[in-house]
Amino acid sequence: DADVTQTPRNRITKTGKRIMLECSQTKGHDRMYWYRQDPGLGLRLIYYSFDVKDINKGEISDGYSVSRQAQAKFSLSLESAIPNQTALYFCATSDQTSGSIYNEQFFGPGTRLTVL
Amino acid sequence: GESVGLHLPTLSVQEGDNSIINCAYSNSASDYFIWYKQESGKGPQFIIDIRSNMDKRQGQRVTVLLNKTVKHLSLQIAATQPGDSAVYFCAENIATYKYIFGTGTRLKVLA
Repeated sequence: DADVTQTPRNRITKTGKRIMLECSQTKGHDRMYWYRQDPGLGLRLIYYSFDVKDINKGEISDGYSVSRQAQAKFSLSLESAIPNQTALYFCATSDQTSGSIYNEQFFGPGTRLTVL
Repeated sequence: GESVGLHLPTLSVQEGDNSIINCAYSNSASDYFIWYKQESGKGPQFIIDIRSNMDKRQGQRVTVLLNKTVKHLSLQIAATQPGDSAVYFCAENIATYKYIFGTGTRLKVLA
């Protein structure tokens, strides 16, 4: 779904390097999320943002930081990458402005990050 | 959803047969559930959802069944097609922003 895009799609880096993953959406959604996916595990929430001024830690935020530059952009940074951060990273959006709590999340295509 | 280690359970079905994929969820207070399809190299894609006040919901070729008594969710795909080959996982909503995602089942459609 091109409504949520992620760059880069693949990245190989070395331990200790700073990495930024970017996410953009054209869906006009207010909420954005960053997840990581590891083999054999379900998606785990890293950070989420309800709007530009509201950023919250998820269940595995250590070693990561985020920036919500605009409603449409949410970037994830690894300040000093380590090998166990090798994973698939997904950005997602949802629309809570309708007032319903039953709102699906729309996922981007993912970024495969390898830390050597 | 259950954690099944490094290897996803695999369901192999013949093209044209019906598929049933199961998910055990963890929180009896969860009130909203989603099934996602994830093809290789792509992000999860919404298939169908169900609220806890329902026990069945039908979409196009897909049906989700919810059994709150045993905390079990199933996805039925009718007349399975090669394009249905993917990993399927469930998600349970435990708070407005928070989901618990299952590890998934790999569906292989045999020609």
